[in-house]
Order: sequence, then structure tokens, then C-alpha cells
Amino acid sequence: TQLLEQSPQFLSIQEGENLTVYCNSSSVFSSLQWYRQEPGEGPVLLVTVVTGGEVKKLKRLTFQFGDARKDSSLHITAAQPGDTGLYLCAGDSRNSGAGSYQLTFGKGTKLSVIP
Amino acid sequence: NAGVTQTPKFRILKIGQSMTLQCTQDMNHNYMYWYRQDPGMGLKLIYYSVGAGITDKGEVPNGYNVSRSTTEDFPLRLELAAPSQTSVYFCASSYWGKGDTQYFGPGTRLTVL
Repeated sequence: TQLLEQSPQFLSIQEGENLTVYCNSSSVFSSLQWYRQEPGEGPVLLVTVVTGGEVKKLKRLTFQFGDARKDSSLHITAAQPGDTGLYLCAGDSRNSGAGSYQLTFGKGTKLSVIP
Repeated sequence: NAGVTQTPKFRILKIGQSMTLQCTQDMNHNYMYWYRQDPGMGLKLIYYSVGAGITDKGEVPNGYNVSRSTTEDFPLRLELAAPSQTSVYFCASSYWGKGDTQYFGPGTRLTVL
């Protein structure tokens, strides 16, 4: 089983601060996705990174995929209360039994941005 | 498009009871998935389907069954409910499997007492 470790598990910051959350594994992933989940709802995809070293920006969010495709980070600049939620990373791995692909999820980082 | 819909939103079961969680998607997606989410544990894949008539086990399939008779529907059956099945269940779908965006439903919160 391929594992994804996310850190920190919880993060509480003031509005306007910057933060970085991490997603690490000893396994190589062909792609990695970041989702955000708000209370009472399902996860919503933010970004998919595919190439080692890739950097993608989504407004104040910056996503990076490690050169070896084993880790990723999410950096938020000037956090706002609307950024509050659970951030999940998910790695794309092959299910060798069925020959199809499935996502392996990390446990998530719960972010609270205080006004 | 409604996307992925799940019913019911909440359910309480007694130990040993059975129930079916419904999932429907209107995006003509090939792949459909069932996950469970326990507090602090992320999402675990229960079963998935790559198309009508084809299903396969995920990471935690014990105590569950699925069927996929149509492209749109992917019900999850719980037989002989146990307290360990208390969780939030999410259905998701995607057009392709590898690297494609998964679209999630709003979830079903199940409590087994």
C-alpha cells in the first residue's frame, strides 16, 4: 500500500498570514492531486500536478510537485477565512490486481483561518 | 447537470440491519467509486467500477457489496451493519481513471448503533 503523509495535521492562522502544507511519500506517483473539502460536503479538486518539479498557481495558492514525484506542497499567500477547510492530497497509483488506477489519499490538513 | 447525487444524507442503523446507499451521476462518466471517510483518517476506497457491469474491490471492501447495472447508478449495499461501519460515505465519478478529476457527491453520514 502506498502511503501519503500530510503535515501539519492541524493549522490555525490569522487572516493575512502565509502557510505551507506538505504531502510526502516514499513512493513515486504518476500524478498528484490536491482537493479541498468543506464541512458537510465532498472534496473538490483544486489542481493536478503531473511533471516532476512542476509548479502551478491558482490565485493565492501555489502547488509544487517534487522533482522525484514523491512529494508535493501547497503554499497559500495572505490566507483568508474562505480558505478554511480540509486540504487533501491524493496520489495516482496503479491497482496491479485490476490493471486500473486508483487514488490514494492522505489524511488531510485541517486549516482554520481566523478573521 | 446535478453532478453526483447521494441519498440518504443521514441514516442511523441498528447492528445487523441492512441498507443501500444510492449514488447517481449525470455526467456520463465511466468510472465510479465509493469511499469512506473516518475522522482523521482521510478517504479509503471501498469499491470502484470502470463501467457498467464491471466492479472491483478497493482497500476496505469487507462488509460491503456493489453493483453497476447502468452507467449512471452505483449503489453500495451494507449487509449486517456493524459499529465499525459508522462513517461518512462518499460516492465519486470520473470520465477516465488515470489522473482524471474525481467529482464527489455530498456524502451520506451513517451511524450504526
